[in-house]
Amino acid sequence: GDSVTQMEGPVTLSEEAFLTINCTYTATGYPSLFWYVQYPGEGLQLLLKATKADDKGSNKGFEATYRKETTSFHLEKGSVQVSDSAVYFCALSPRNSGGYQKVTFGTGTKLQVIP
Amino acid sequence: NAGVTQTPKFQVLKTGQSMTLQCAQDMNHNSMYWYRQDPGMGLRLIYYSASEGTTDKGEVPNGYNVSRLNKREFSLRLESAAPSQTSVYFCASSNWGSGNEQFFGPGTRLTVL
Repeated sequence: GDSVTQMEGPVTLSEEAFLTINCTYTATGYPSLFWYVQYPGEGLQLLLKATKADDKGSNKGFEATYRKETTSFHLEKGSVQVSDSAVYFCALSPRNSGGYQKVTFGTGTKLQVIP
Repeated sequence: NAGVTQTPKFQVLKTGQSMTLQCAQDMNHNSMYWYRQDPGMGLRLIYYSASEGTTDKGEVPNGYNVSRLNKREFSLRLESAAPSQTSVYFCASSNWGSGNEQFFGPGTRLTVL
């Protein structure tokens, strides 16, 4: 079945450091790919998405590129801030979901940014 | 718009007690979902409702029941709570289609003693 693998955390970075959180997936066909973010005490919210190969999703300085050849969707940010401290989830949704959206989530990567 | 709302925010139960978690969305979404979040496990789907009037089991349905009361509301019931059901529960909703995002509620933190 479908699966998402993301790097184990926690990841601790100093403010203004470069961030990469790795995500690889297993799925048939061309799924849609997502990054969700969860701030402390809150539910998940969509950070960015890509729906076809070579698409780049971006939001709030974060970027991720849909790489079909390596089945990856790594999350990057050039300069992290303390306010980026959160848990980040990679997720996928297959194209043949039918009438609803079946989503497979990774286990999450906790990011802590220190001043 | 309030988005997705959940009640209660926190709950402590004793083993064997029952309770219902409530969820409502005001975005006119077709589909609604219940997840549980446990450390190191990510999110696991308990039940979902693809559309009003339908419900289906997800990955971990044992010990739970659901009701899709109308298009807005989707409740999750624990008939006889067990310590293994201690978790954070999230309700989510979405429109149909693989490219559409899911919108999540703030969660219910449940402890079963």
